[in-house]
Amino acid sequence: DIQMTQSPSTLAASVGDRVTITCRASQSVYDWLAWYQQKPGKAPKLLIYKESILESGVPSRFSGSGSGTEFTLTISSLQTDDFATYYCQQYRRYPFTFGGGTKVESK
Amino acid sequence: QVTLRESGPALVKPTQTLTLTCTLSGFSVSASGMVMSWVRQPPGKALEWLALIDWEDDKYYTESLRTRLTISKDTSKNQVVLTMTNMDPVDTATYYCARIRVDTSGSFDAFEIWGQGTMVTVSS
Repeated sequence: DIQMTQSPSTLAASVGDRVTITCRASQSVYDWLAWYQQKPGKAPKLLIYKESILESGVPSRFSGSGSGTEFTLTISSLQTDDFATYYCQQYRRYPFTFGGGTKVESK
Repeated sequence: QVTLRESGPALVKPTQTLTLTCTLSGFSVSASGMVMSWVRQPPGKALEWLALIDWEDDKYYTESLRTRLTISKDTSKNQVVLTMTNMDPVDTATYYCARIRVDTSGSFDAFEIWGQGTMVTVSS
C-alpha cells in the first residue's frame, strides 16, 4: 500500500496567515493526489484534485503543488471558515489511501 | 441537485453483518462513467477507503477487509449497498458513500461528492 504522511498533524494559525501543509507519499503517485477539507461532524469536501486543479467553487486562496512524492496545500490568507482538518489522498493505486490529517486551529 | 444519503443501523452487535445503503439523487447509478465508493472514519481518526463499484460493475476492495466486504448496486432503487460481515467494535465509525469523478481518459479521479455519513457503533 502507498503510505501518505501529512505534516504537521496540528497547526495553530491566525486569520490572514499563510498556511502550508505537506503530504508525502511512500512511492510516486504522479499527480493523482487530492486534498479535502473536513469540519467537525461533516463530510469531507473536495478542494483540489490532480495535485493542483482547484475544484469548482473553491476559493482561489487554496492552491496545491507537488512533485510525485511530496505535495503541498497552501492557503494564502487564512480565513475564519478555513479552520478545519485537511486530508490528502492518493488515487494512483489501490487501495486509495488518505493521510492522517492536519488540523488547522486558531492560535 | 446531486446528493447522496447513507442509511443503515446505528448499532450492531459483534459478529453481526452490517448492511448500509447509499441512495443517489440527481443522477443514476447505472449511468456510463458512474463510479461509487465507500469510505469510513473511526471517531477522531483518519479516513479509510473501503470499496468501489464502477459502471461496468467492476468492484475493488481494500485488501485488509476484502473477505468481509461486498459492494453492489440496486439500479431499480438507484442505490449502492455495502455489506460488512463479522462486525467488531473496531469497525465503529462513520461510513460515507462518495461519487468518484472519472476524467476524460476514463481514469478514476478524486471523490467529488460525499454523503453526510452514517455513524455505526459496534457493541454488545
